Amino acid sequence: DVKVTQSSRYLVKRTGEKVFLECVQDMDHENMFWYRQDPGLGLRLIYFSYDVKMKEKGDIPEGYSVSREKKERFSLILESASTNQTSMYLCASSDRDYGYTFGSGTRLTVV
Amino acid sequence: AQKITQTQPGMFVQEKEAVTLDCTYDTSDPSYGLFWYKQPSSGEMIFLIYQGSYDQQNATEGRYSLNFQKARKSANLVISASQLGDSAMYFCRSSTLGRLYFGRGTQLTVWP
Repeated sequence: DVKVTQSSRYLVKRTGEKVFLECVQDMDHENMFWYRQDPGLGLRLIYFSYDVKMKEKGDIPEGYSVSREKKERFSLILESASTNQTSMYLCASSDRDYGYTFGSGTRLTVV
Repeated sequence: AQKITQTQPGMFVQEKEAVTLDCTYDTSDPSYGLFWYKQPSSGEMIFLIYQGSYDQQNATEGRYSLNFQKARKSANLVISASQLGDSAMYFCRSSTLGRLYFGRGTQLTVWP
């Protein structure tokens, strides 16, 4: 079974903190994605990566950055957390469009 | 760009009945894929079914089928014989040229 693991299920951080959300997949997938999910807005793509050290902006990249130093790991970074970044964050990976698998999500609260 | 519209914020269905969740898309690209996902309260996104824009037949996976009407640009999910465990949020997704677009979701509640 493909497994996409997000390091934290729940996270509470203070405004201005630097926050790292980690995502690891164990199926040698090329593509990895970070989404945020908010009520009434569905899922919105923040960043995606189709290879090691490659990254592309999604629809809402502002306030975020990413790192893909190894194929299996895709990190989302909030340089200076703000309250409007309180959300559910979902990581996903795929080797082709059909095989798209999500992690279980990280619920981040910024206070 | 693509736009995915799910017009039903919530749907209710009685156990063992069939239910249709609506999804329309807006694209000028000739090649695209359409997907449905289920998200239970645990938060995980579970892939259900896929339809390619060139597929002649409607996709079917067990109790799930996709009513694909290309001319109307709709890709509705049909769940037959609903079960209590089907209660979840359902998302329609499209992909074209490597970009991915999600609808805002429909909350399905199955009652006994």
